[in-house]
Amino acid sequence: KQEVTQIPAALSVPEGENLVLNCSFTDSAIYNLQWFRQDPGKGLTSLLLIQSSQREQTSGRLNASLDKSSGRSTLYIAASQPGDSATYLCAVRGFITQGGSEKLVFGKGMKLTVNP
Amino acid sequence: DAGITQSPRYKITETGRQVTLMCHQTWSHSYMFWYRQDLGHGLRLIYYSAAADITDKGEVPDGYVVSRSKTENFPLTLESATRSQTSVYFCASSERWGGVEKLFFGSGTQLSVL
Repeated sequence: KQEVTQIPAALSVPEGENLVLNCSFTDSAIYNLQWFRQDPGKGLTSLLLIQSSQREQTSGRLNASLDKSSGRSTLYIAASQPGDSATYLCAVRGFITQGGSEKLVFGKGMKLTVNP
Repeated sequence: DAGITQSPRYKITETGRQVTLMCHQTWSHSYMFWYRQDLGHGLRLIYYSAAADITDKGEVPDGYVVSRSKTENFPLTLESATRSQTSVYFCASSERWGGVEKLFFGSGTQLSVL
């Protein structure tokens, strides 16, 4: 059974720091991995999706990397801003299993606070 | 450009009552999902649907019923609400589920069962 872990559960940093958020998963047979952002009282917004054949994806100040063999992904946030304060979740998607349907397995998230 | 909307935003009910949470999407996405989010458990899949009239169980389906008579709607019903079903419920949709499709989430329904 796939398990996704995000450590630490919370992080507080001053504005301007470059950040690395970690995500680890137990089963390396994944189809893709997504990083989401969740603001308080809101739904999840997809930030980046990395296919299993890819090593990284970039969007603006965000860069996500994937190392399937070690079961790890990192989300790099450059020059953090107070507006980056949110909970960040990673989710992995496995391959279709016979008689079933693959689904996303989520980590519990990491709450980021960027202080001005 | 409404996207995916959930209603109600907040709901308080009593144990034993039937409750229906609504989910509507304007994109005509084929796939729709219901998740619940709880402290200590993260997001867990309740039910999903690949198309109208096609639904299947997720990780935690007990006590819930879904239907999908129209592509755009995917209501979730708690047949007899229990305190353990107090949670935040999220509906999500995806155009397909066989490639690089992203998942789009609604804003959630916060349900309290007293």
